[in-house]
Amino acid sequence: NAGVMQNPRHLVRRRGQEARLRCSPMKGHSHVYWYRQLPEEGLKFMVYLQKENIIDESGMPKERFSAEFPKEGPSILRIQQVVRGDSAAYFCASSPRETGELRLFFGSGTQLSVL
Amino acid sequence: SQQGEEDPQALSIQEGENATMNCSYKTSINNLQWYRQNSGRGLVHLILIRSNEREKHSGRLRVTLDTSKKSSSLLITASRAADTASYFCATVPAWAGNNRKLIWGLGTSLAVNP
Repeated sequence: NAGVMQNPRHLVRRRGQEARLRCSPMKGHSHVYWYRQLPEEGLKFMVYLQKENIIDESGMPKERFSAEFPKEGPSILRIQQVVRGDSAAYFCASSPRETGELRLFFGSGTQLSVL
Repeated sequence: SQQGEEDPQALSIQEGENATMNCSYKTSINNLQWYRQNSGRGLVHLILIRSNEREKHSGRLRVTLDTSKKSSSLLITASRAADTASYFCATVPAWAGNNRKLIWGLGTSLAVNP
């Protein structure tokens, strides 16, 4: 019963390149959340998705960032034309389909470094 | 926006001592949760306390909730070096309804010295 899987674990990009971060939620989970974390800081909510739907993207910058959670396959967080300020740890979390108390299961994160 | 605020920001204790961390929040909640994050890793859920509960235990963890003061505390008893981590509180606001979103604090960094 694998947990939340994120890849890659580390991603190095040069300014202007694209970064694609992948997240496979736990089996049976249909809610996915993306967070960004800077050193010595807490989690910053970015986007909340269900299968094929973006539910809340209020934390995601309007430009260069996009997220999807297709019917098949992992959720993708895409950052176009990366800048140094995008360097951070990006965490994905998932929660079960059923209603009830929300409790998140986290992946180990992708550390993005922009040179 | 983040509504939780942990206190203290950093805590350093000796192995065997108890560690207490506090969390304050601003709006009415459905429940409050504590998570642990080891360096460079994702967060791990520790314990959830509902708004109608006042205290909850899980192993060496004890969580209290005071909704009148909008605050919670996490007590780790008989701490171990392996407890060294950052601890975050997160709340599900009462207004959230079906919007399944947690509101996070900034965390307390705990160092347990052998």
